[in-house]
Amino acid sequence: DGGITQSPKYLFRKEGQNVTLSCEQNLNHDAMYWYRQDPGQGLRLIYYSQIVNDFQKGDIAEGYSVSREKKESFPLTVTSAQKNPTAFYLCASSYAGTGEYEQYFGPGTRLTVT
Amino acid sequence: AQTVTQSQPEMSVQEAETVTLSCTYDTSESNYYLFWYKQPPSRQMILVIRQEAYKQQNATENRFSVNFQKAAKSFSLKISDSQLGDTAMYFCAFGNNDMRFGAGTRLTVKP
Repeated sequence: DGGITQSPKYLFRKEGQNVTLSCEQNLNHDAMYWYRQDPGQGLRLIYYSQIVNDFQKGDIAEGYSVSREKKESFPLTVTSAQKNPTAFYLCASSYAGTGEYEQYFGPGTRLTVT
Repeated sequence: AQTVTQSQPEMSVQEAETVTLSCTYDTSESNYYLFWYKQPPSRQMILVIRQEAYKQQNATENRFSVNFQKAAKSFSLKISDSQLGDTAMYFCAFGNNDMRFGAGTRLTVKP
């Protein structure tokens, strides 16, 4: 089955710790995305990558970092610099990053930082 | 930058009735793509329908159809014969180089 996996589904961390969220896809998509979802704010783009070893900041990249060493994987690190990291995080991928193609989403990771 | 506005934070509809969700967007581009995504309580986002701006014909997918008004920059979603499984958050999205999402409309289908 082709799709996107995110792990874990729920993640708890103490304030001041970095945490990495996993995202893997086997759809052979070139483009991958990370979104943050907060109540009443829809999806906000954190980072996106259109090709391996290249990525761009989205609207709310501060306090986050990513890597794209493999086509299939696009992990997101939430650093201690992120002021309000508790949120629901969605990873997505698409055939290309041109806005033309449907984005396929993973099941999400709920991060709680206390 | 393109913006997407969904002016109805919450809506409800009786089972088997029809409901229309509104979406407007702002862009200076002539070619772009519009999407409606559904996020049920499981939080798994799935595509409902897609519209290409250069096509005048409104897209339809079974009980879901859109009313695309390019001049008015409006892209509403009509759900016919609403079912309990249609209860979800619905997001309108605009695609041109990247993708922009609206804030969403929470739809509740009542039995």
